[in-house]
Amino acid sequence: DTGVSQDPRHKITKRGQNVTFRCDPISEHNRLYWYRQTLGQGPEFLTYFQNEAQLEKSRLLSDRFSAERPKGSFSTLEIQRTEQGDSAMYLCASSSGGAGAFFGQGTRLTVV
Amino acid sequence: EDQVTQSPEALRLQEGESSSLNCSYTVSGLRGLFWYRQDPGKGPEFLFTLYSAGEEKEKERLKATLTKKESFLHITAPKPEDSATYLCAVRGETSGSRLTFGEGTQLTVNP
Repeated sequence: DTGVSQDPRHKITKRGQNVTFRCDPISEHNRLYWYRQTLGQGPEFLTYFQNEAQLEKSRLLSDRFSAERPKGSFSTLEIQRTEQGDSAMYLCASSSGGAGAFFGQGTRLTVV
Repeated sequence: EDQVTQSPEALRLQEGESSSLNCSYTVSGLRGLFWYRQDPGKGPEFLFTLYSAGEEKEKERLKATLTKKESFLHITAPKPEDSATYLCAVRGETSGSRLTFGEGTQLTVNP
């Protein structure tokens, strides 16, 4: 399968703990995106990488959130000191240039 | 700020009953309008990209069209397996590479 891969698929964590998600994009895609989706809503943009450079960050991305894409390959999204409001589906997508982005299956985070 | 409004929020059809979903948008300089299909608990699946008014794209029972203010996703003779949430998104000149999504239309096709 050469699609976008996300790990883990599900994560349950206690409030205050740190969590990290991984995304492996389609190999030939130089652009990588993170979105967040809550039930009944469309995905909301969090951040965007072109190769290893993080070029855009949403104001939704508080100081507790950090994303990296070392060497322009896989990416990680870390949430520190999780809060119940962080519970959502975290989606990663990749694209080549301005073409349509292809999404992974997402990581569902539940903060208890 | 880019805005996308989708209607209706939910639509129930009988198998074979054709219909259309609407996506109204406000964007400064459209650089692409995107349609996605999303099944419960899964990530969005890319369907179409439209770039300019008058453009049309087709895939099986789906056809997407675009005007300067809205896009339609026409579903011809739908089948139960077409049941899903359909999402519309736009990218504008001032929004960098981000997509702005609508809240989606939840389509149910009954056999």
